[in-house]
Amino acid sequence: KAGVTQTPRYLIKTRGQQVTLSCSPISGHRSVSWYQQTPGQGLQFLFEYFSETQRNKGNFPGRFSGRQFSNSRSEMNVSTLELGDSALYLCASSSSLPEETQYFGPGTRLLVL
Amino acid sequence: GNSVTQMEGPVTLSEEAFLTINCTYTATGYPSLFWYVQYPGEGLQLLLKATKADDKGSNKGFEATYRKETTSFHLEKGSVQVSDSAVYFCALNTGNQFYFGTGTSLTVIP
Repeated sequence: KAGVTQTPRYLIKTRGQQVTLSCSPISGHRSVSWYQQTPGQGLQFLFEYFSETQRNKGNFPGRFSGRQFSNSRSEMNVSTLELGDSALYLCASSSSLPEETQYFGPGTRLLVL
Repeated sequence: GNSVTQMEGPVTLSEEAFLTINCTYTATGYPSLFWYVQYPGEGLQLLLKATKADDKGSNKGFEATYRKETTSFHLEKGSVQVSDSAVYFCALNTGNQFYFGTGTSLTVIP
């Protein structure tokens, strides 16, 4: 079974731009969660989608948004980028319930200049 | 609220040394507990998990026991290898959301 895939793996943007990151979960998994990982803050939960609906949300500003498609693939969008948005963005999938084991993708490393 | 506290790193050990990484948690209800490992340039990989009190999770020589009385889930390995060098994350899941510790960096030197 293929693992969680994320595209692109690396991205460089400038302040004020927007960016869209993509995540394809493990086949059959319906729950997709997004995390921001930075050296100073560690892993912070952004949001979780299940069956195309946002089921849980972390404490991030509205510039961070996401969606999930009928095939469970998910996208995350960050608008009006700030320097502090530079981070590794990780996507994780699980079969149906968020309490089940999450399987992580390799991440997208975003650098905002 | 829910949170996970891990011992500060970095930790440096010689090959074949004994490893302990402490993890304590605060949670409502009865969470599941996890250890994840992150190798350089990669995402997190599940190392082991335990879903109820007194359960022991184990994998690749690592083990951790869910201790409800001390709200702990310490990671141990009897003899570390150079290939174990990575960042280790303790996590809990309340059924609603995952909460991760800040990670502990381990370097094993030959």
